[in-house]
Amino acid sequence: ILNVEQSPQSLHVQEGDSTNFTCSFPSSNFYALHWYRWETAKSPEALFVMTLNGDEKKKGRISATLNTKEGYSYLYIKGSQPEDSATYLCAPFVYGGAGSYQLTFGKGTKLSVIP
Amino acid sequence: DTGVSQDPRHKITKRGQNVTFRCDPISEHNRLYWYRQTLGQGPEFLTYFQNEAQLEKSRLLSDRFSAERPKGSFSTLEIQRTEQGDSAMYLCASSLETSLARTGELFFGEGSRLTVL
Repeated sequence: ILNVEQSPQSLHVQEGDSTNFTCSFPSSNFYALHWYRWETAKSPEALFVMTLNGDEKKKGRISATLNTKEGYSYLYIKGSQPEDSATYLCAPFVYGGAGSYQLTFGKGTKLSVIP
Repeated sequence: DTGVSQDPRHKITKRGQNVTFRCDPISEHNRLYWYRQTLGQGPEFLTYFQNEAQLEKSRLLSDRFSAERPKGSFSTLEIQRTEQGDSAMYLCASSLETSLARTGELFFGEGSRLTVL
């Protein structure tokens, strides 16, 4: 079973603050890294899919970086807004041999943005 | 709405009963996944299909669980003789995987929440 660690587990920030989360994963047999946002009572929604070491992706105020050699990714949110409140999940896509590859999710970081 | 849909959204059952969940993926997607999520955990992989073929099952999936995807369209997940430990959110997701793009993002349904009394 792949060990995917996300930190912190939860955090509360004031509206307008910038914040970042970490995802660490085993770097061997790496194929891609996914980030998802899961708002309460909704379905998880993909934010980014990154494949290359050094990848940086941005969507509005949210950006992510990837280091496949050391096995970590950072997600940054600039100027947090209440609508950013959600659980952020990372999931490495790893090849497990014999045609097997799948996403393994971390436990997520629960962000609460206080107005 | 052409997203992933799951039915039912909520199911309360008594221990020992059988339950079945249905997932309708995005129509052009060839992969379909089932995940289970319990409180405080991320989604845990259960199984996935490439078209109608079930390619992988997690060791989490006991023999009380069975999944099908007839004709490569919708999928069902059945749990027989439910136990209280089966209480969870069951998530379905679909993706389009090709030989060139094997890292397609997953599109999730809103989940089916199971409560076993």
